[in-house]
Amino acid sequence: GAGVSQSPSNKVTEKGKDVELRCDPISGHTALYWYRQSLGQGLEFLIYFQGNSAPDKSGLPSDRFSAERTGGSVSTLTIQRTQQEDSAVYLCASSLARDDEQYFGPGTRLTVT
Amino acid sequence: QKEVEQDPGPLSVPEGAIVSLNCTYSNSAFQYFMWYRQYSRKGPELLMYTYSSGNKEDGRFTAQVDKSSKYISLFIRDSQPSDSATYLCAMSYKAAGNKLTFGGGTRVLVKP
Repeated sequence: GAGVSQSPSNKVTEKGKDVELRCDPISGHTALYWYRQSLGQGLEFLIYFQGNSAPDKSGLPSDRFSAERTGGSVSTLTIQRTQQEDSAVYLCASSLARDDEQYFGPGTRLTVT
Repeated sequence: QKEVEQDPGPLSVPEGAIVSLNCTYSNSAFQYFMWYRQYSRKGPELLMYTYSSGNKEDGRFTAQVDKSSKYISLFIRDSQPSDSATYLCAMSYKAAGNKLTFGGGTRVLVKP
């Protein structure tokens, strides 16, 4: 079946602009995670949604980062007033339930110039 | 010090050799252990998922977990050039919502 999809695959933006990154999880998966992968920091957790529960935002690096998940399916990660240090690959993963295996999408490569 | 440590490599082996990868961790709360493979400019692909000490085998892959030593391993038998990739270990536990903590990844190169 279809895996996790993300769009856009690449995004180049100017410092100070806002960006929106989209994630479509595997159909039926109730848990959705956002991670960031950068050269210096490796792969780091950002935020997690499980069903209708309040999201776990403990990994968000600043209040410029936010995410929402509409209708328990698609999720959007928003970065406001982008900075050069935000340049990274943003990865989305989903799992059938909270304690199940996580399957990753291909990522969105964000470059802030 | 990072919660999960992984040798960055690169690890270069001839085709057909056994690839041996490992990670150490400091947080005894970790319950679930995973290995992901990541090709350049692609998302991580789940290879192995275990939650108990001992061995788990799947085809050419064997995952080992030793919770007493806080040490996990992945072995790849009969390695192929297509196994050339970065291998990431990851761990999680229920109380943390199963969010993954990753090692830094080991680059593996299998030479024909």
